[in-house]
Amino acid sequence: DVKVTQSSRYLVKRTGEKVFLECVQDMDHENMFWYRQDPGLGLRLIYFSYDVKMKEKGDIPEGYSVSREKKERFSLILESASTNQTSMYLCASSLSPPMTTFRSYTFGSGTRLTVV
Amino acid sequence: GENVEQHPSTLSVQEGDSAVIKCTYSDSASNYFPWYKQELGKGPQLIIDIRSNVGEKKDQRIAVTLNKTAKHFSLHITETQPEDSAVYFCAALYSGGGADGLTFGKGTHLIIQP
Repeated sequence: DVKVTQSSRYLVKRTGEKVFLECVQDMDHENMFWYRQDPGLGLRLIYFSYDVKMKEKGDIPEGYSVSREKKERFSLILESASTNQTSMYLCASSLSPPMTTFRSYTFGSGTRLTVV
Repeated sequence: GENVEQHPSTLSVQEGDSAVIKCTYSDSASNYFPWYKQELGKGPQLIIDIRSNVGEKKDQRIAVTLNKTAKHFSLHITETQPEDSAVYFCAALYSGGGADGLTFGKGTHLIIQP
């Protein structure tokens, strides 16, 4: 069964700390994504990557950065955590298909981050 | 960019009845519309999807319809069961090659009343 694994289910960090959220997929997918999920706001795209060392900004990249040094691993970095970054963070991956093929995302179980 | 509106935010139905969740999208170039189900403590899981060259797709008790002209698509669940209780998200994407992110609706909390 295909899997996207997020390293932590729950995380509590202090304001100003540098925070790393890790995501690993075992499906050899080219594309990886980071979303945050907040009540009433749904899922919002932070960053995505379509290849090793490549990254693209999503809709809400401010305050975040990402790293993709290996195909299977996509890290989300909060350079200086703030309380408004308290949220559920979801990682996803997908294949890059030919033009005529559609792809679905596989999501991880999420990391609930609390910044105090 | 794409904007996806989803209604209602909460839907309560009696077990055995049907549930319908509706979404509209703004970008006429979007051509792929998946629906995800998220159970408590889990990540979203794809339950059904539809492409823009198809008007309807069915999988057992679940169906999705797409109206390209009106730019809206709907999820229909018939004979609802307690295990259908979850948060459902619609999404839209232009899949023209390369990577791009799905744009999600804000979600519908479906409650199945026994």
